[in-house]
Amino acid sequence: AQSVAQPEDQVNVAEGNPLTVKCTYSVSGNPYLFWYVQYPNRGLQFLLKYITGDNLVKGSYGFEAEFNKSQTSFHLKKPSALVSDSALYFCAVRALGRGYNKLIFGAGTRLAVHP
Amino acid sequence: NAGVTQTPKFQVLKTGQSMTLQCAQDMNHNSMYWYRQDPGMGLRLIYYSASEGTTDKGEVPNGYNVSRLNKREFSLRLESAAPSQTSVYFCASSERTEGEQFFGPGTRLTVL
Repeated sequence: AQSVAQPEDQVNVAEGNPLTVKCTYSVSGNPYLFWYVQYPNRGLQFLLKYITGDNLVKGSYGFEAEFNKSQTSFHLKKPSALVSDSALYFCAVRALGRGYNKLIFGAGTRLAVHP
Repeated sequence: NAGVTQTPKFQVLKTGQSMTLQCAQDMNHNSMYWYRQDPGMGLRLIYYSASEGTTDKGEVPNGYNVSRLNKREFSLRLESAAPSQTSVYFCASSERTEGEQFFGPGTRLTVL
């Protein structure tokens, strides 16, 4: 079955410390992977994607993600967290459907950055 | 350039009432989507439209219908609302079905 797992409901980190939000996936074929962020009462905003090429992908707001094929993971990282990074983060993977491609989203991880 | 817009922002319905959620995008995208977001469940695809003139079911289509009115607009209709349809509904669009999606601000729907 094609799926995405975000094993942590919440991640807590102190401002200035590095952060990691974990994502693992299971899909047929080559994975297209995405990270989105959702601020309170807002829609999802695209952060970054991996389709092919370098395993380290850089995105918006200083975030980056590392694609690891052997571990089927695509963890989101940032070297120095800001309080304003506190939000809900979703990992998504392109899944092959009935003649179409669709995105499957993980359940989300709430990131709380403390001053 | 407004991106993806949705109306209304909030709605309260009684069981059995009907309503249509409107979505429009100004990015000339081919594909459009309707999702619902429920706590702890991420986003679940209700219906999508890969291109103008086509629509297809997603993971949770029961109780919903859609219309791709033109390239810009994609509406979601609840014919007979049920409390289980209480949720936040998001419309999204993308240039292609495998590309990144751009989301609207959402509609918070409560069915009593």
